[in-house]
Amino acid sequence: QVQLQESGPGLVKPSETLSLTCTVSGGSISSYYWSWIRQPPGKGLEWIGYIYYSGSTNYNPSLKSRVTISVDTSKNQFSLKLSSVTAADTAVYYCARMLRFYDSSGYYYVRWFDPWGQGTLVTVSS
Amino acid sequence: EIVLTQSPATLSLSPGERATLSCRASQSVSSYLAWYQQKPGQAPRLLIYDASNRATGIPARFSGSGSGTDFTLTISSLEPEDFAVYYCQQRSNWPDTFGQGTKLEIK
Repeated sequence: QVQLQESGPGLVKPSETLSLTCTVSGGSISSYYWSWIRQPPGKGLEWIGYIYYSGSTNYNPSLKSRVTISVDTSKNQFSLKLSSVTAADTAVYYCARMLRFYDSSGYYYVRWFDPWGQGTLVTVSS
Repeated sequence: EIVLTQSPATLSLSPGERATLSCRASQSVSSYLAWYQQKPGQAPRLLIYDASNRATGIPARFSGSGSGTDFTLTISSLEPEDFAVYYCQQRSNWPDTFGQGTKLEIK
């Protein structure tokens, strides 16, 4: 059973770069899409972006100028960097895997996400 | 960006009762809608995708319906473990968006 675990600093100063890593265990990172999603305290969920194991990415336009998602297949990990953070970036950050299906044409991917990691709270404060 | 509006914000019911949660989209999302359950301190879990398909391991008491702009998540008979926050999500247009959630609480 695949499990995801987020890790990284819980406190980041304003204007600095937030860096998180998601470690995938119980399965390979290969041949899947992986995503970052965040949830500000007491608020709803917001997509940050996703990455294919080969490295192709897609970002939320509202965050695109500040986001970089990368993958390290040798470590079975993918990472998030969010630059120039402000208090508005304070949130629980989740990593998740995109659903993969199979039909007569082979594998195809659909932007529903499961499983998710437990999430990690990142606070932006001086 | 497609806005998803969930109602009610809070639903108070007793175990054994039927729960009906609503999600309305600001424009048609066809059947590209999912429902997630989130319990306090836990990650969201996928319940329903493509409006009406149960995800792996999800009990049959959970069902989804709708298309276009109006969707419903129904829990036929509430179990104690079903009290949680439920979110809908659309993937018709990127960026995918979520509703603000419906909190299902014990009456």
